[in-house]
Amino acid sequence: GDSVTQMEGPVTLSEEAFLTINCTYTATGYPSLFWYVQYPGEGLQLLLKATKADDKGSNKGFEATYRKETTSFHLEKGSVQVSDSAVYFCALSDSGNTPLVFGKGTRLSVIA
Amino acid sequence: GAVVSQHPSRVICKSGTSVKIECRSLDFQATTMFWYRQFPKQSLMLMATSNEGSKATYEQGVEKDKFLINHASLTLSTLTVTSAHPEDSSFYICSAHSTGTSGASTDTQYFGPGTRLTVL
Repeated sequence: GDSVTQMEGPVTLSEEAFLTINCTYTATGYPSLFWYVQYPGEGLQLLLKATKADDKGSNKGFEATYRKETTSFHLEKGSVQVSDSAVYFCALSDSGNTPLVFGKGTRLSVIA
Repeated sequence: GAVVSQHPSRVICKSGTSVKIECRSLDFQATTMFWYRQFPKQSLMLMATSNEGSKATYEQGVEKDKFLINHASLTLSTLTVTSAHPEDSSFYICSAHSTGTSGASTDTQYFGPGTRLTVL
């Protein structure tokens, strides 16, 4: 079945550092790919998405590019802030009305 | 747009009681809603898929008689935890798939803020 593997955390960075969180997937078809963010005690918020190969999703300074050849969707941000501290989940879906398959999540802590 | 609410946000109950959690899509219609469960510092586990007007589809290992799901309308799904026990304490999160109305994307699931259930 489909699966998502993302780098294990926790990741601790200083403010303004560069962030990369790796995510790779296995899927039989051509899934849509997502990054969700979960702040402490809250639900999940969609951060960005990409629906086909070579698409780049971006939001709030975060970016991720759908790489079919490497089956990857790595999350990047050029300069992190303390407010970016959260858990980040990579996920895929075969279609909008099928359940999301989540990675295990990566906890990011940004220190001032 | 594309807001999903959950009620209550937090509930504490005694062992043996039943608890109902509501999931509403506030500004779009959702033919499909999903219920997930999240343990501390872990990822989300899919419990069931809820389709409007039909029976829910449960994942393997999820007791359908214990976790009753009803999707009575295009904007509301409910999860009832029957005869709750301490091991049912968890964070329950729903998500909704839009039919494409009111600006919500059809290829995206929108998540509620979650309900933290504590069973004493």
